[in-house]
Amino acid sequence: GDSVTQMEGPVTLSEEAFLTINCTYTATGYPSLFWYVQYPGEGLQLLLKATKADDKGSNKGFEATYRKETTSFHLEKGSVQVSDSAVYFCALSGGGKLTFGQGTILTVHP
Amino acid sequence: KAGVTQTPRYLIKTRGQQVTLSCSPISGHRSVSWYQQTPGQGLQFLFEYFSETQRNKGNFPGRFSGRQFSNSRSEMNVSTLELGDSALYLCASSQGLEASFQETQYFGPGTRLLVL
Repeated sequence: GDSVTQMEGPVTLSEEAFLTINCTYTATGYPSLFWYVQYPGEGLQLLLKATKADDKGSNKGFEATYRKETTSFHLEKGSVQVSDSAVYFCALSGGGKLTFGQGTILTVHP
Repeated sequence: KAGVTQTPRYLIKTRGQQVTLSCSPISGHRSVSWYQQTPGQGLQFLFEYFSETQRNKGNFPGRFSGRQFSNSRSEMNVSTLELGDSALYLCASSQGLEASFQETQYFGPGTRLLVL
């Protein structure tokens, strides 16, 4: 079945550092790929999405490119802020549902 | 436009009881999905309803059931609660035009259920 693997966390960075969170997937067909973010005590918010190979999703300084050849959708941000501290989930669509990775906890220190 | 709302936000139940959770989707959205989030298993898909019909189902026992009303509001029911049912239950809505889930899912804040 479909699966999503995220890099092990947690990730701790200083403000203005560069962020990469790795995400690879296994899927049949041509899924859409998503990054969701969950702030403490809240539900999931869509951060960005890409619907086909080589698409780049971007939002709030975050970017991810749909790489079909490497089955990856890594999340990047050039300069993180304290307010980016949250849990980040990579997900794919397929089989009538979203399949999520385990989530990566990001903590950004001033 | 109002977002997805879930009630109640917090619940405490004891083993063997049953519980009903409610989800109101974004206006105009006809698809509602439910997910269970736990520290050990992460986010797992329960089921999806579209136009009052269950369209997709995850791998959960029959104690977990749901329904959708004509106004697209959805309820989820868990019978004979077990300790392992303690979790954050999230619902998500979308227009539902794509049965393959290519479109964006909008999530509610969740209902946190504690089973004692």
